[in-house]
Amino acid sequence: KQEVTQIPAALSVPEGENLVLNCSFTDSAIYNLQWFRQDPGKGLTSLLLIQSSQREQTSGRLNASLDKSSGRSTLYIAASQPGDSATYLCAVKGGGFKTIFGAGTRLFVKA
Amino acid sequence: SAVISQKPSRDICQRGTSLTIQCQVDSQVTMMFWYRQQPGQSLTLIATANQGSEATYESGFVIDKFPISRPNLTFSTLTVSNMSPEDSSIYLCSVVEQESFSGANVLTFGAGSRLTVL
Repeated sequence: KQEVTQIPAALSVPEGENLVLNCSFTDSAIYNLQWFRQDPGKGLTSLLLIQSSQREQTSGRLNASLDKSSGRSTLYIAASQPGDSATYLCAVKGGGFKTIFGAGTRLFVKA
Repeated sequence: SAVISQKPSRDICQRGTSLTIQCQVDSQVTMMFWYRQQPGQSLTLIATANQGSEATYESGFVIDKFPISRPNLTFSTLTVSNMSPEDSSIYLCSVVEQESFSGANVLTFGAGSRLTVL
């Protein structure tokens, strides 16, 4: 059974700092891994998707990496801004159509 | 990417009542998914809804409590029946769509329906 863990659970950083969010999963037989952002009380916004054959994806200040063999993904945020404050969720899609979510990392960027 | 509209966006309900959440997608999709997010928790899949067949429920979720309809390829409803305060959650509808340039299957969500049960 796939399990997805995100560390840290919460993170507070000053504006401008580069930061890394971590996601680990127990079953390396994944189809893809997707990072989402969720603002309080809102739905999910997709940030990046990495297919199982890829090592990383980049979008603006965001870079996501994937190491299937070790069951790990990281989301790197460069030059953080207060607008980046949100909960970041990692989601792993395995065989079939089921996607398993991590518990998320709550990020707070201080101005 | 697909645009998913959910109604209601939020509601406050009385214990013992039922509420139906609607999910409308602006394109035809084979599968629609319903998730629950309890306060402070991550997302849990309730069921997968295919058009023309019964929904497939995950462990811990039953049709009597969460009946789902999927009348066509762009619409689905989730009913939360006989609600109790423990049903207070955000309920999210999602679809998987294939990106045209990468072929990747991307999970896309609606804005969610926030239910509070008193």
